[in-house]
Amino acid sequence: DGGITQSPKYLFRKEGQNVTLSCEQNLNHDAMYWYRQDPGQGLRLIYYSQIVNDFQKGDIAEGYSVSREKKESFPLTVTSAQKNPTAFYLCASSGTFTGELFFGEGSRLTVL
Amino acid sequence: SQQGEEDPQALSIQEGENATMNCSYKTSINNLQWYRQNSGRGLVHLILIRSNEREKHSGRLRVTLDTSKKSSSLLITASRAADTASYFCATARGSNYKLTFGKGTLLTVNP
Repeated sequence: DGGITQSPKYLFRKEGQNVTLSCEQNLNHDAMYWYRQDPGQGLRLIYYSQIVNDFQKGDIAEGYSVSREKKESFPLTVTSAQKNPTAFYLCASSGTFTGELFFGEGSRLTVL
Repeated sequence: SQQGEEDPQALSIQEGENATMNCSYKTSINNLQWYRQNSGRGLVHLILIRSNEREKHSGRLRVTLDTSKKSSSLLITASRAADTASYFCATARGSNYKLTFGKGTLLTVNP
C-alpha cells in the first residue's frame, strides 16, 4: 500500500533536547511538507521541499530544521530553540502540479 | 498567515440532515481544497475545485466556489455519524506546492 509513514506517533522530550520526527513516503511524490497543528487551530506550514536536496522555509520555520537527502524521506528536527514545541506535527506529500496533499497520521510531541 | 476562514467553527446536526460549511479567503487562488480530519488523525483530501470551476460533486459532497465573493461552501448531504470530524479548507496561490489552511469546522453528527 502506498502512503506516508510518520514515526514516532507519540514523543516526549525534556526541555533543551533536540528531537527528530521521521517521515517516509512511497508514493513517488516530489514535494513533501511539514505542518504544525495546535489545539483548535488550523495547520501552519513549517518547511516544504519540492525536490531532493532543496527545501524552503514555511510560515513558522524558526526553531526547526529539515533535510531532504532522499526523495522518500523528509525528517524534521525540533531544536531546543523552538520556544513552544508541544504540538501535533503532520507530514504530507504531493505529486508534481496536482496540489492534493496526502498526509501521514501525525506525531504528537510533548515537552515535559 | 491564514488565508481561509471556515464558518461556523462548530456545527451539530442529526443523522440524515444536511451539513453546510463555508470558507472565505482573501486573495486570488489557483484552487481550493477541502480536507477532513478525524480526531487525532491525519487529514484526508476530499475534493479540489479550480478557480475556473463553480461547482463540483463527489458522492454525498457538493462544493461550490464563488471567486467574486472569495468564498466556497461544502455541503454534505444525508449526513451519518461517521461524518463526525473537522473539515478544513485550503487554498493554493501561485505555486500549487504551497497550501494555506483555515482553522476548520468541527462537525458533530448525532445518531
